[in-house]
Amino acid sequence: QKEVEQDPGPLSVPEGAIVSLNCTYSNSAFQYFMWYRQYSRKGPELLMYTYSSGNKEDGRFTAQVDKSSKYISLFIRDSQPSDSATYLCAMSAKEIKAAGNKLTFGGGTRVLVKP
Amino acid sequence: ETGVTQTPRHLVMGMTNKKSLKCEQHLGHNAMYWYKQSAKKPLELMFVYSLEERVENNSVPSRFSPECPNSSHLFLHLHTLQPEDSALYLCASSQDWGQNQPQHFGDGTRLSIL
Repeated sequence: QKEVEQDPGPLSVPEGAIVSLNCTYSNSAFQYFMWYRQYSRKGPELLMYTYSSGNKEDGRFTAQVDKSSKYISLFIRDSQPSDSATYLCAMSAKEIKAAGNKLTFGGGTRVLVKP
Repeated sequence: ETGVTQTPRHLVMGMTNKKSLKCEQHLGHNAMYWYKQSAKKPLELMFVYSLEERVENNSVPSRFSPECPNSSHLFLHLHTLQPEDSALYLCASSQDWGQNQPQHFGDGTRLSIL
């Protein structure tokens, strides 16, 4: 079993729809959760960074963390064709000097927003 | 220049060649990372440097040799690579190692081994 599971997609939605992405994980020590967006031929770009459970909103993006279910989500409201990209979730455990801030990534979900 | 810059963007090499990948960060960070991204696989951490000292080597074959001459520059020296080493190699940096801080990535070097 992978430590972080993420549906590879592609997830195709019409422009203006809500995009819903999620990851599940097995390591209960994870406490820091990130979402990255990666356009074709580009590196991952940090979108959201959250700690522990709860919601965080930034513009059209909302990140949710449910630690009891080991489940994180990213919602994109009013989706645009420019949101077409691969979205990667990443997570790390509470800082331990020896372990540093090693990130464990999901495999990414490809999203297509059609005009 | 801002952020994390990687050169070259594309590299094609034979199995017997020696080449180097370069990464430079302009963020004032103290930790730098090399990752490998292969098709349909999650990012794989290869090496971590903190204040120019290697703190993580994730069971990477010796044909990959990292070098960190200062906190702003990171190199990955390549020699006698195999076809399965074809991938996107990403460099990242964060403020420090040992604290949970987000990592910022460059756009990668697309490596193809003939």
